[in-house]
Amino acid sequence: DAKTTQPTSMDCAEGRAANLPCNHSTINGNEYVYWYRQIHSQGPQYIIHGLKNNETNEMASLIITEDRKSSTLILPHATLRDTAVYYCIVRVGLRGAQKLVFGQGTRLTINP
Amino acid sequence: KAGVTQTPRYLIKTRGQQVTLSCSPISGHRSVSWYQQTPGQGLQFLFEYFSETQRNKGNFPGRFSGRQFSNSRSEMNVSTLELGDSALYLCASSLEDRAGNTIYFGEGSWLTVV
Repeated sequence: DAKTTQPTSMDCAEGRAANLPCNHSTINGNEYVYWYRQIHSQGPQYIIHGLKNNETNEMASLIITEDRKSSTLILPHATLRDTAVYYCIVRVGLRGAQKLVFGQGTRLTINP
Repeated sequence: KAGVTQTPRYLIKTRGQQVTLSCSPISGHRSVSWYQQTPGQGLQFLFEYFSETQRNKGNFPGRFSGRQFSNSRSEMNVSTLELGDSALYLCASSLEDRAGNTIYFGEGSWLTVV
């Protein structure tokens, strides 16, 4: 079973920052938080991942709380092309653990 | 650098037939995993191969099988197709067997069973 809880849907205005929350209160010390998104009919696209520290790349920022029980994905300047289902996944960080357990994700709609 | 490539992209099969889907991972990636996505069940893990060995398997019947070749390319096979097997089948690959690596997905193969 997925170990994360996300809102079913969210809306955001184009050009504004989109903040997607994720709860993972049962996360273990060796588990990473991964974010993927899926635009309709396409394969999931990797966005970002982190273990303890906040992470930033060209797509987004990942903020992980100090107790690691929740995190927030930030899309700094959302565009219409960011409309997608966003999945927050907790993945055990062990050798051989190449499995991702997807929940239902958050359907993010960017409005003009 | 080419991404994960899946073929065919779309196919239609009849109940009772079998189907083989192919996946070419990103160059250098040795781990290949497969997922099924349906509207009702969402994205579900099927199995994962590393260096030609199946390491993990999801909760699917034995009709679903796969294999990996020495060049890391992978195939999955579904025998005795059922209507409920209609789904998007996704292949994913990763660089190496270590913690915190990134798994990349292909665009998927759309299977319709009629």
